[in-house]
Amino acid sequence: QLHLQESGPGLVKSSETLSLTCSVSGGSIIGSGSYWGWVRQPPGTGLEWIANIFYSGSTYYNPSLKSRVTISIDTSKNQFSLKLNSVTAADTATYYCASGVNIDAFAIWGQGTMVTVSS
Amino acid sequence: QSALTQPASVSGSPGQSITISCTGTISDVGGYNYVSWYQHHPGKAPKLMIYDVTIRPSGVSNRFSGSKSGNTASLTISGLQAEDEADYYCSSYTTSATPHVVFGGGTSLTVL
Repeated sequence: QLHLQESGPGLVKSSETLSLTCSVSGGSIIGSGSYWGWVRQPPGTGLEWIANIFYSGSTYYNPSLKSRVTISIDTSKNQFSLKLNSVTAADTATYYCASGVNIDAFAIWGQGTMVTVSS
Repeated sequence: QSALTQPASVSGSPGQSITISCTGTISDVGGYNYVSWYQHHPGKAPKLMIYDVTIRPSGVSNRFSGSKSGNTASLTISGLQAEDEADYYCSSYTTSATPHVVFGGGTSLTVL
């Protein structure tokens, strides 16, 4: 049974870089043929897709965030990561990592981690 | 503003059926069979209920079904139960601008 766990700082200063890691257990990040992605939910609003990476390394980004986002895979550690540059208060959200059976079908989710951007 | 349009709220009584719509364009819902539906209870991770328009993942009740007509996808929940009360989001693959994924704005389901 695949299990995902987000980790990273809960507080990031405005204009700095938000870095999150998703550790994958119960399966190989390169063996399952899955998409790996990040989704966030700002307080009081809906879900927002951030980025996906295929196990082969192909990446897909939300056009509204693309200039600030990098998603990557570390196969040696069986984890994938998100970096979001130049954060503002608008980036305050619960961030989820997820595993998809296809590009938009996330079947397995992490528990989510709340990140607050402070000024 | 979300690329996919959902009603803000729907409601139904236990045992009834409800349908939530998700309207997009030919660049997303209408052009591809990559439409998913998620159930989201506050404080929990979203749960995939339907993918590829009509497919139910293992373990999801057959009271949940998906369909699509033109640029609009729909999620139908039959035999409403109290535990179905949650927020529901659709998503779709889109080739508008660059290939990516979009979510709908979400629909709050109230079981009366």
